[in-house]
Amino acid sequence: ETGVTQTPRHLVMGMTNKKSLKCEQHLGHNAMYWYKQSAKKPLELMFVYSLEERVENNSVPSRFSPECPNSSHLFLHLHTLQPEDSALYLCASSHSGAGGPETQYFGPGTRLLVL
Amino acid sequence: DQQVKQNSPSLSVQEGRISILNCDYTNSMFDYFLWYKKYPAEGPTFLISISSIKDKNEDGRFTVFLNKSAKHLSLHIVPSQPGDSAVYFCAATDSGTYKYIFGTGTRLKVLA
Repeated sequence: ETGVTQTPRHLVMGMTNKKSLKCEQHLGHNAMYWYKQSAKKPLELMFVYSLEERVENNSVPSRFSPECPNSSHLFLHLHTLQPEDSALYLCASSHSGAGGPETQYFGPGTRLLVL
Repeated sequence: DQQVKQNSPSLSVQEGRISILNCDYTNSMFDYFLWYKKYPAEGPTFLISISSIKDKNEDGRFTVFLNKSAKHLSLHIVPSQPGDSAVYFCAATDSGTYKYIFGTGTRLKVLA
């Protein structure tokens, strides 16, 4: 496997379900990100982990819970979601260093539908 | 308030001609800019970037121009090919932060 992978690629869940999205990066990066992309809206940054510590939580509701057990894996735990949470969820990774911004590389995304 | 704007939701160009995609930003702290390309059912793919210390960066058929005074950047693709048909996002960031701010994207269609 190369690059950034995400599973599942598609997910349908009810509002009372609990599910998790998984992201894995094979690029040796040390920062990982969750983004949400809703129709006709720009990508919205949700969470950032650098060196396995959360460094950004962009006012995301608590029904979204991220977890970063190591620098290669990132999870997004979902519970009691709302239909308006239906969107494409994208994971990205980058190398976070002292030399300025680094390019983020994206996974293919998980298309989530909340019924 | 959208800090990064792509005012053209779509663009059609004939194969072989130049495609010009535009992006405007409002935050003068942004000093690094990127373009991503996205095909359906795939994540965004990094295309080209530019630092605010430059006004042009070129990579093959792709050139990004930055006009800091106008807070405007553009992506030129020449010659355009049908495989370039995709949604193009511009993104901007302030060095030292992790936040990329993305535009809403422009759908480019290159006609054969």
